[in-house]
Amino acid sequence: QSALTQPPSASGSPGQSVTISCTGTSSDVGGYNYVSWYQQHPGKAPKLMIYEVTKRPSGVPDRFSGSKSGNTASLTVSGLQAEDEADYYCSSYGGSNNLVFGGGTYLTVL
Amino acid sequence: EVQLLESGGGLVQPGGSLRLSCAASGFTFRDYALSWVRQAPGKGLEWVSAIGGNGDTIYYAHSVRGRFTISRDNSRNTLYLQMNSLSAEDTAMYYCARGWVSRGYFDFWGQGTLVTVSS
Repeated sequence: QSALTQPPSASGSPGQSVTISCTGTSSDVGGYNYVSWYQQHPGKAPKLMIYEVTKRPSGVPDRFSGSKSGNTASLTVSGLQAEDEADYYCSSYGGSNNLVFGGGTYLTVL
Repeated sequence: EVQLLESGGGLVQPGGSLRLSCAASGFTFRDYALSWVRQAPGKGLEWVSAIGGNGDTIYYAHSVRGRFTISRDNSRNTLYLQMNSLSAEDTAMYYCARGWVSRGYFDFWGQGTLVTVSS
């Protein structure tokens, strides 16, 4: 199963909003409400930011939000802060007990 | 506090074997499914394998099926990954992660253990 498609990079200035897309197919993103997003700082483990398309784990700022339309999911980071600069990965349940990740997007805070 | 601590990584020759471990604490181990997720140097994340809470359900990515074996010991709160017939393409940081593949997310991750396959 192919990886989900993410833009390699995104950027925004402090205080601005940025949206990162994650495109799959009807067999993964479009077929299930099981899309999640992870933040990974260099040399660190991934951290869950969004699960089941729109839900935020305890402790994740509400500046982070998720959505989905058809085969494309999105992560929006509002009120950008310097510490938001990191890699972001989406993932989706792909059916048949398989999970697929996106290629990752590096978010730069200008 | 949930903690996952991987160990067992290292340098291994092509064709060799390695067993990774992940020691868990801070939660009722048997109540949770666990997975291994890997990340090649400078690359993205790849789900590798998953196991249910009591070890009865096991899944593998196509890329490792037949070469890797996932298992767990609920009496020791430890997850394992036996890796055989290793190749350079298996070089990666291997993370232990808590969660169900069928729900599409992992809520806690370990810090990873690095596996390097090279002659």
